Amino acid sequence: GESVGLHLPTLSVQEGDNSIINCAYSNSASDYFIWYKQESGKGPQFIIDIRSNMDKRQGQRVTVLLNKTVKHLSLQIAATQPGDSAVYFCAENRRAGNMLTFGGGTRLMVKP
Amino acid sequence: NAGVTQTPKFQVLKTGQSMTLQCAQDMNHNSMYWYRQDPGMGLRLIYYSASEGTTDKGEVPNGYNVSRLNKREFSLRLESAAPSQTSVYFCASSPERPTNSPLHFGNGTRLTVT
Repeated sequence: GESVGLHLPTLSVQEGDNSIINCAYSNSASDYFIWYKQESGKGPQFIIDIRSNMDKRQGQRVTVLLNKTVKHLSLQIAATQPGDSAVYFCAENRRAGNMLTFGGGTRLMVKP
Repeated sequence: NAGVTQTPKFQVLKTGQSMTLQCAQDMNHNSMYWYRQDPGMGLRLIYYSASEGTTDKGEVPNGYNVSRLNKREFSLRLESAAPSQTSVYFCASSPERPTNSPLHFGNGTRLTVT
């Protein structure tokens, strides 16, 4: 989900369950999308990316799905672990060239 | 291989003071970026440098200047700090334009302006 002001949307899951984090993007011309993970006190860390000519891409325990019809991006994390607790951001290249634009983030909390 | 290194990690300034945030990358990347992150919000681009010798404004450039000193280093300067510039500042780099590759981020500089 997208953030509203100071309050990040929060997803709380049980350890071992699958997590799905959603992101709506704004520009139908965007052709490259990235998911980042940010732990407290650290910089964003690259997780996975996808180009607009794909609908799905898989990594290690993560899958990104892209639905261009409704301009929606999701990140699926399999068998969520306590170390997955963080804030997750999606980013899109809204303008051809050098700009990545970030969404507001979703906080993932994993309960042991 | 340290990646992207930012200094200092923390800084407190008084309104009107100036300072320079330093950033260096050791990945031989062409493009470098400065973002700011405010509580509960995503990152906003301040300035970027697509290649050595070039710089361009991002979404929120007012109150900032940058220098691409060489391929490795990209600094951000606040000439006259204001409380609205209290934020966490992240430097990032990418091999080429971010339309083709992800950005690699440093761990940030936490700036408070009183």
